[in-house]
Amino acid sequence: NAGVTQTPKFQVLKTGQSMTLQCAQDMNHNSMYWYRQDPGMGLRLIYYSASEGTTDKGEVPNGYNVSRLNKREFSLRLESAAPSQTSVYFCASSDPGQGSYEQYFGPGTRLTVT
Amino acid sequence: GENVEQHPSTLSVQEGDSAVIKCTYSDSASNYFPWYKQELGKRPQLIIDIRSNVGEKKDQRIAVTLNKTAKHFSLHITETQPEDSAVYFCAASKGSGGYQKVTFGTGTKLQVIP
Repeated sequence: NAGVTQTPKFQVLKTGQSMTLQCAQDMNHNSMYWYRQDPGMGLRLIYYSASEGTTDKGEVPNGYNVSRLNKREFSLRLESAAPSQTSVYFCASSDPGQGSYEQYFGPGTRLTVT
Repeated sequence: GENVEQHPSTLSVQEGDSAVIKCTYSDSASNYFPWYKQELGKRPQLIIDIRSNVGEKKDQRIAVTLNKTAKHFSLHITETQPEDSAVYFCAASKGSGGYQKVTFGTGTKLQVIP
C-alpha cells in the first residue's frame, strides 16, 4: 500500500496564480484532511472531509477550496495565491468510525508564492 | 474551540538522559491525545497515543501520562538516542459524528547531543 500520496512535492507560484494540490489514499479511510504547517505554528487544519460527499471548514479556510472527488481523493485549490500562503501542505486520512483515530499523513507539498 | 499549548519549544539533552515534553488542553470533551514525531523534511508520524479513560501508556522507551482533571498530558522519552532528534507534536482530539477533530500543539524541537 502506498498510504497517502500527494502531488506535487514542490511548487512555486506567482501572486494571483491558481493551482490544485492533489491527495489520494489507498487505505479505504472515510475521513480526509488538509493542514498547513508554518514555522513555530504547528499544523493548522484548513478543511476536512468527514466522509465522501461532505466537506467542512477548519481553522484557517480563507483563500482555499476543496473537493472530495471520491472516497480516495481530496484536492485543495488555491484560486488566487498570496505570499501568506507560502507553507508546507499536508494531507492526512483516518477512519475514526472503525475505532482508529490515528491520522496518516502524506509526504507534503512545499509551496512558495512570490 | 480547543486550545493546545506545548512546552518547551526547544529541548537539548545529552544522549542517555531523559526528555519530557508537556502539553495542556482546554476542552474537557477531548478524549484522544496522540503524539507525532516529525523528522526534518518528513511527514509527521504517530509514535504513541492515549485515550481519556487511561492515565498512562508505555511503549519501550516512550511513555505518555494524562491528567484529565488538570487537563495536561506529557511525553517521556528515556535513554535518549541521537535518532530521537526531531520535532514532536502533541494533539488533543474529540469525536463528532465519526470524525475526530484534532488540534495540534506548536511543536518541540528535541536535540539529543551524542
